[in-house]
Amino acid sequence: DVKVTQSSRYLVKRTGEKVFLECVQDMDHENMFWYRQDPGLGLRLIYFSYDVKMKEKGDIPEGYSVSREKKERFSLILESASTNQTSMYLCASSPTSGRNEQFFGPGTRLTVL
Amino acid sequence: DQQVKQNSPSLSVQEGRISILNCDYTNSMFDYFLWYKKYPAEGPTFLISISSIKDKNEDGRFTVFLNKSAKHLSLHIVPSQPGDSAVYFCAASGGRSGGGADGLTFGKGTHLIIQP
Repeated sequence: DVKVTQSSRYLVKRTGEKVFLECVQDMDHENMFWYRQDPGLGLRLIYFSYDVKMKEKGDIPEGYSVSREKKERFSLILESASTNQTSMYLCASSPTSGRNEQFFGPGTRLTVL
Repeated sequence: DQQVKQNSPSLSVQEGRISILNCDYTNSMFDYFLWYKKYPAEGPTFLISISSIKDKNEDGRFTVFLNKSAKHLSLHIVPSQPGDSAVYFCAASGGRSGGGADGLTFGKGTHLIIQP
């Protein structure tokens, strides 16, 4: 059974802080993804990675960066958090083809004050 | 520009009847479509998918229909059950690629409410 875990369910940070959101998957999937979900907007892709140290921009990468040093771990970094980054952040993973279904973690609700 | 559209923010259906959720897309590069179900405070859960070379895929109570010429897909749930009450997201892939991976493009979701 695929398990995707995210380090925090709820997080409160202040404007300007550096924020790390961590995601770990236990199914040896090559591909990992970060999305954010906002009311009325659905899920939007921020960044994804198809291999260790490889990354690709999604639809809304501005203000974010990512790190993938190990296959099972994919981190989303907010270099200087802003209030418009208050959102639900969802991590997902999928096996090689990338066309298969993606398995999602429970999400991190980030509030930036 | 929204490439995947779910035009009904909510849908109310009586228990036991059929639920039909609709989705339209604009990007001709999309070649794989998925439906996800999401409960509050949980991550989305995969429900069913369909490749663009097919026009129908069935899994138990769930059937997805794809009309490529109309760029339209629909999810049928029959019979609808109370546990089906959730937000349903339509998603598509094929519009981008990076190393063989492909992020999903989601619609805004439809909140399905099953009335007892």
